Amino acid sequence: GAGVSQSPSNKVTEKGKDVELRCDPISGHTALYWYRQSLGQGLEFLIYFQGNSAPDKSGLPSDRFSAERTGGSVSTLTIQRTQQEDSAVYLCASSHQPQGYTGELFFGEGSRLTVL
Amino acid sequence: KQEVTQIPAALSVPEGENLVLNCSFTDSAIYNLQWFRQDPGKGLTSLLLIQSSQREQTSGRLNASLDKSSGRSTLYIAASQPGDSATYLCAVYGGSQGNLIFGKGTKLSVKP
Repeated sequence: GAGVSQSPSNKVTEKGKDVELRCDPISGHTALYWYRQSLGQGLEFLIYFQGNSAPDKSGLPSDRFSAERTGGSVSTLTIQRTQQEDSAVYLCASSHQPQGYTGELFFGEGSRLTVL
Repeated sequence: KQEVTQIPAALSVPEGENLVLNCSFTDSAIYNLQWFRQDPGKGLTSLLLIQSSQREQTSGRLNASLDKSSGRSTLYIAASQPGDSATYLCAVYGGSQGNLIFGKGTKLSVKP
């Protein structure tokens, strides 16, 4: 597609439910990133994919968070047993990033998660 | 650990003014620095990318400079317009981290 696409754009869920957030990167982009932006806070790095592998999972806040990427394209961020503190905007970005080089990051519009 | 600071946190100027946004980072071993714009309720839009070997980049009314040794970057906006109102974010990439480290942004308001 023309840009990074994220779905759903808005998700309201009850505490304790699982949610899945989807990111469809720009075609051909090898690197994919997930960030979280809480109200009044900066962007918090969650996880980074190069192809289908995740060299850096250091930002995942707890074992309730997981992410996968298949076919070097679409990625899914899963949050299990959601808590109110998980409420935030989850942003995905992609980049054309051959090994050893980092290119410009392009962001999606984000998925706004509200946990009641 | 890399830290990125943006000053000021908020800025209000009248239309037509030239302005400078500041970004500083603690670890000068970066690969590149990127400036973004974020409108309320939206994602981030890339404005300028400066590689570590470069000193500045220009796009239209925007000019970004990079001084790696002192850990600083500035974003210069010429002849500001109300449509420039947004939050401007600075981010640095350090190869060992595999991700961009963001500042908290400067919220710019340009009054007509």
